[in-house]
Amino acid sequence: KNEVEQSPQNLTAQEGEFITINCSYSVGISALHWLQQHPGGGIVSLFMLSSGKKKHGRLIATINIQEKHSSLHITASHPRDSAVYICAVDPYGGATNKLIFGTGTLLAVQP
Amino acid sequence: DTAVSQTPKYLVTQMGNDKSIKCEQNLGHDTMYWYKQDSKKFLKIMFSYNNKELIINETVPNRFSPKSPDKAHLNLHINSLELGDSAVYFCASSPQNREQYFGPGTRLTVT
Repeated sequence: KNEVEQSPQNLTAQEGEFITINCSYSVGISALHWLQQHPGGGIVSLFMLSSGKKKHGRLIATINIQEKHSSLHITASHPRDSAVYICAVDPYGGATNKLIFGTGTLLAVQP
Repeated sequence: DTAVSQTPKYLVTQMGNDKSIKCEQNLGHDTMYWYKQDSKKFLKIMFSYNNKELIINETVPNRFSPKSPDKAHLNLHINSLELGDSAVYFCASSPQNREQYFGPGTRLTVT
């Protein structure tokens, strides 16, 4: 079993819907990352968080360290949000920054 | 200005050949990484260098050898290529304990 699990694996939504992607992990961590991989293949870091909540535009990321769980929310979804969203955890911190990745959630937002 | 660049973007080669992928970052980051993304889109760390020093070396065959001539460059040399080496290889960089910035990826196809 992977140390980082995401759900759902695939998600189809209609434009404008509120979307939630979940990430659960089984190891102690120093930080959790949310990444976006565009259909063209490029990977962009969306958030890095170790507690609480962060917001950037229509994206919100939350983390509950005690429950070892994080969620990524997209408000007012748009077809351009269609991508693979990847959760990754850093168990060590410091200079190591070794990320363990989830298997990704493929999101398709239909107009 | 490209923050993290990789060359080549595509690489098609035959089994048994030796090839290199180059990575450069102009962000002044101390840490650079190589990741492999398999056909199921699963990302896995291969190597990490901090200030030209190897700090992560995952269970990667020793046919793979990273080289960091300076803090801004981390190249990946692969000897005796095998079919199973076909994947997308991503370079990334980060300051310590911060988000990672990914290169555009190099799609390696071994025939």
